[in-house]
Amino acid sequence: LQLQESGSGLVKPSQTLSLTCAVSGGSISSGGYSWSWIRQPPGKGLEWIGYIYHSGNTYYNPSLKSRVTISVDRSKNQFSLNLSSVTAADTAVYYCARGHEYYDFWTAWGKGTTVTVSS
Amino acid sequence: EIVLTQSPGTLSLSPGERATLSCRASQSVSSSYLAWYQQKPGQAPRLLIYGASSRATGIPDRFRGSGSGTDFTLTISRLDPEDFAVYYCQQYGGSPPFTFGPGTKVDIK
Repeated sequence: LQLQESGSGLVKPSQTLSLTCAVSGGSISSGGYSWSWIRQPPGKGLEWIGYIYHSGNTYYNPSLKSRVTISVDRSKNQFSLNLSSVTAADTAVYYCARGHEYYDFWTAWGKGTTVTVSS
Repeated sequence: EIVLTQSPGTLSLSPGERATLSCRASQSVSSSYLAWYQQKPGQAPRLLIYGASSRATGIPDRFRGSGSGTDFTLTISRLDPEDFAVYYCQQYGGSPPFTFGPGTKVDIK
């Protein structure tokens, strides 16, 4: 299984960050897996943003809930992240990851993509 | 939300030495739903341990996880040069949000 993030690397303050995670080597629709976004500001630790199941069910971190939307495109075998009203504090490496089939730890990760919020 | 703290912040050791990393939770982690990850510079985290003590696929047996409730430990029995990295604990017990500790850096003395 491979995951690959893509999207805008530079976003202006107050705009919307948009990323996509392409999944290969497996179907996003198979099994009971959750598909998550996790981020890491420069030099800092990891923060779980939210997840989606292939059914479309989502759960977001309450700290970001008002600004986050995660969606899935089963036909393209990918899922996406939108984060609105970004500030410099949203500058980070963004990872997509697949959860274990039954538990919420992550067994497969993308390599990560750097997003910088700056005017 | 369960808050995780890790200690020490940095551990300076030599290859071949034993590393002991601690992760403490602000409340009991149900069913020992605690994982450990290793992260090297410029790389994504890699799962080492889940369920507090089960090694992930392909993880050498020099990595051992233990603990329950609010206190968990990752032990690396003999440090290999490739083990110098940052280690994070993560809890996944109960409802989201899932949270990580701030990390422990294991560097070469």
